[in-house]
Amino acid sequence: EVQLLESGGGLVQPGGSLRLSCAASGFTFSSYAMSWVRLSPGKGLEWVSGITGSGSSTPYADSVKGRFAIFRDNSNNMLYLQMNNLRAEDTALYFCVRRACTTTTCSYFDHWGQGIAVTVAS
Amino acid sequence: EIVLTQSPATLSLSPGERATLSCRASQSVDSYLAWYQRKPGQAPRLLIYDSSIRATGIPARFSGSGSGTDFTLTISSLEPEDIAVYYCQQRQSRPVEYTFGQGTKLEIK
Repeated sequence: EVQLLESGGGLVQPGGSLRLSCAASGFTFSSYAMSWVRLSPGKGLEWVSGITGSGSSTPYADSVKGRFAIFRDNSNNMLYLQMNNLRAEDTALYFCVRRACTTTTCSYFDHWGQGIAVTVAS
Repeated sequence: EIVLTQSPATLSLSPGERATLSCRASQSVDSYLAWYQRKPGQAPRLLIYDSSIRATGIPARFSGSGSGTDFTLTISSLEPEDIAVYYCQQRQSRPVEYTFGQGTKLEIK
């Protein structure tokens, strides 16, 4: 059974940093691209960043580019999101998600963690 | 950036009724569109991908259709457990970006 378990969230002041972690199990982690997706009341679901199975490609949403960094440790089946210079608008529930591939495209997210809350406030 | 617009924002129906949810893309996404269901307090779940293919374990009452810019998620006969927010989603390649619609909240009368 695929499991994705996020940790590392919490309350942080504007301008602060936080690192989210995602422990993956039940599948060959290195074979899958992963992403972080967030959910906030004001913006709904928003893709934040992704990383290929090898870690060689790491696209970001414009809203977090230059502030967030995604990386992975395939030897320990872990995904991370380093969040720096946090803003109030980064407040959200952050999901670790696995990207699925069909015969024609790799565009969807077939497994989601339960999510971890991040609150940016003074 | 491709924008996905969902309608209606809220849909209130009775058990057994048919629900029709719409997702419109600002430009063509061919058939590369997915639908997700998020029940209160739970993680989103993939329902439909490639516009019309049900994901593993999804009941047959859920169906998807459409191509290009106009897509529909249909729930043929509503069950009380279908209370959720439903999102559509697409991916563009250059630059790589995934976008979601703003969601349709489905309420059961």
